[in-house]
Amino acid sequence: SYVLTQPPSVSVAPGETASISCGGNNIGSKNVHWYQQKPGQAPLLVIYHDSDRPSGIPERFSGSNAGNAATLTINSVEAGDEADYYCQVWDSYNDHVVFGGGTKLTVL
Amino acid sequence: EEQLVQSGSEVKKPGESLRISCTGSGYNFANYWIGWVRQKPGKGLEWMGIINPGDSDTRYSPSFRGQVTISADKSISTAYLQWSSLKASDTAIYFCARQQEVMDPKDNWGQGTLVTVSS
Repeated sequence: SYVLTQPPSVSVAPGETASISCGGNNIGSKNVHWYQQKPGQAPLLVIYHDSDRPSGIPERFSGSNAGNAATLTINSVEAGDEADYYCQVWDSYNDHVVFGGGTKLTVL
Repeated sequence: EEQLVQSGSEVKKPGESLRISCTGSGYNFANYWIGWVRQKPGKGLEWMGIINPGDSDTRYSPSFRGQVTISADKSISTAYLQWSSLKASDTAIYFCARQQEVMDPKDNWGQGTLVTVSS
């Protein structure tokens, strides 16, 4: 079945830019969604359909998707952005949802 | 306010049965699919399956097919996740989440239900 690969961890200093990748075979042909999960909380949708932001999500969060990789970018990272981030697609061939393994973002 | 509220934490013994629930409010429950996601302690998100409460169309992850049953009662805006015989390895937090179509994002999540299975 379809596999999404994320780096286990990314570290960034406050004010810098964090980039979290999500690799998959021809992922550019799929719609990618990104979720933020803080400890003890339910996941929160931060980017959908590759690059759209739900209302209430800061403009600092953006997304892109092409070829075999999608990327979540967080500009001017703040301490409050420290969380686990998951990418997700719909595998239409097998008719089910696929999550990436998750990336822990640490703000130094 | 559109929200999903899940049933409370459960402590069960191996071999016991269990049904947990997810109740929607503030929107037309039948117009959105409800999915279930497992998260074991310290681990990532695992998709279990999804149901359309409007017509009970259900899809399962191959990893969970035959292990759990997903159902819904649109008359009371509630979806269910059910086990007939729990195992210790079922210990996890279970989240429900809604999405408008199967390929759409999960835009609203329940608070999660902790299920602990221990002898």
